[in-house]
Amino acid sequence: QKEVEQNSGPLSVPEGAIASLNCTYSDRGSQSFFWYRQYSGKSPELIMFIYSNGDKEDGRFTAQLNKASQYVSLLIRDSQPSDSATYLCAVSGGGADGLTFGKGTHLIIQP
Amino acid sequence: EADIYQTPRYLVIGTGKKITLECSQTMGHDKMYWYQQDPGMELHLIHYSYGVNSTEKGDLSSESTVSRIRTEHFPLTLESARPSHTSQYLCASSGGSRGNTIYFGEGSWLTVV
Repeated sequence: QKEVEQNSGPLSVPEGAIASLNCTYSDRGSQSFFWYRQYSGKSPELIMFIYSNGDKEDGRFTAQLNKASQYVSLLIRDSQPSDSATYLCAVSGGGADGLTFGKGTHLIIQP
Repeated sequence: EADIYQTPRYLVIGTGKKITLECSQTMGHDKMYWYQQDPGMELHLIHYSYGVNSTEKGDLSSESTVSRIRTEHFPLTLESARPSHTSQYLCASSGGSRGNTIYFGEGSWLTVV
């Protein structure tokens, strides 16, 4: 059974600070890793994906992957109140049954 | 990004009614999915499809059924709705150059009274 674990939060971060969201996964064969953002009452939207060990940066977002530790993280620099949402970590092993999602971390950016 | 359209967006129906939630995507993705999500809760995969004439049940048991007669269309049907079916239903697809990346539709909010 594939598992993706996230701290449900809420994680409270002051505006302008760095928000750090963490995720661990159980399947060592996992190949692709994704972060989605979901606002209350809306559907998830893709923020970033990462396939290789190391860091991947896109604007204020940085995804970090460590396959040896089975650990994925998302850093949000210069956090804004509009970043307040639930962030879902998702992992793929390449099968047709899609991604395995974590339960999500609720992030609150305090003005 | 994938364009995925779900209708209806919001629906209130009575117990025992039959309902079909429509989902269409315009990107030619071979894989399509239905997720169920209660407010503030985690996503649960209830159905998925590899392609035309392929349907599989997901991790969460569901009384709904699906069909995949055309690549772009993946409707979900409840033969007899019950209040326990009240939830948000999210359709998604993946494929093409982005491979495993899943793109979601805007969701269908179903309330059974």
